[in-house]
Amino acid sequence: DQQVKQNSPSLSVQEGRISILNCDYTNSMFDYFLWYKKYPAEGPTFLISISSIKDKNEDGRFTVFLNKSAKHLSLHIVPSQPGDSAVYFCAASANFGNEKLTFGTGTRLTIIP
Amino acid sequence: ETGVTQSPTHLIKTRGQQVTLRCSSQSGHNTVSWYQQALGQGPQFIFQYYREEENGRGNFPPRFSGLQFPNYSSELNVNALELDDSALYLCASSFRTGRPFFGPGTRLTVL
Repeated sequence: DQQVKQNSPSLSVQEGRISILNCDYTNSMFDYFLWYKKYPAEGPTFLISISSIKDKNEDGRFTVFLNKSAKHLSLHIVPSQPGDSAVYFCAASANFGNEKLTFGTGTRLTIIP
Repeated sequence: ETGVTQSPTHLIKTRGQQVTLRCSSQSGHNTVSWYQQALGQGPQFIFQYYREEENGRGNFPPRFSGLQFPNYSSELNVNALELDDSALYLCASSFRTGRPFFGPGTRLTVL
């Protein structure tokens, strides 16, 4: 039972344009959501998070939107840069601050120069 | 400040053998979690340790076991290795409440 889903295995975006990565979840108990970025041969690196009491969180070029009624979140990267090429994982946890994360299967983002 | 480190980087074992993977937490962190990432999948939660006690377990059989030491470093032990245990094993450390910081992982291949 995949509780966190990333339905797009890959995404290609032109440099300078907006990248939008999507994530859906099924477990209503999830109240904290995170995005991680992973390069080959490295561990996941935290990007940005959002708690269920918010619907938007922004950090520089990265913005995460949360739609609780649709159980959907998205990560926007503007403008996209070549260094953003990586695999992006959406993760969720129940009980804010509890770090037992449930991950999606990831989306490979490729930024085209 | 030292980040999360894991050893070894790569490991090759044969089916039926036992393996021990090691993790050193980021300075000050008292909680360690282990994840298994199979090829093409997201990381899956194995278990978590807080102050040397297991504090939650995912859907993994008992042949996956762990330890956390007084200095908050940790070990993951897997007995009776199976081919499907081939994966990247990730360790993550954190404070009791807080987002985890991941190490680079140990790539285990079971032949």
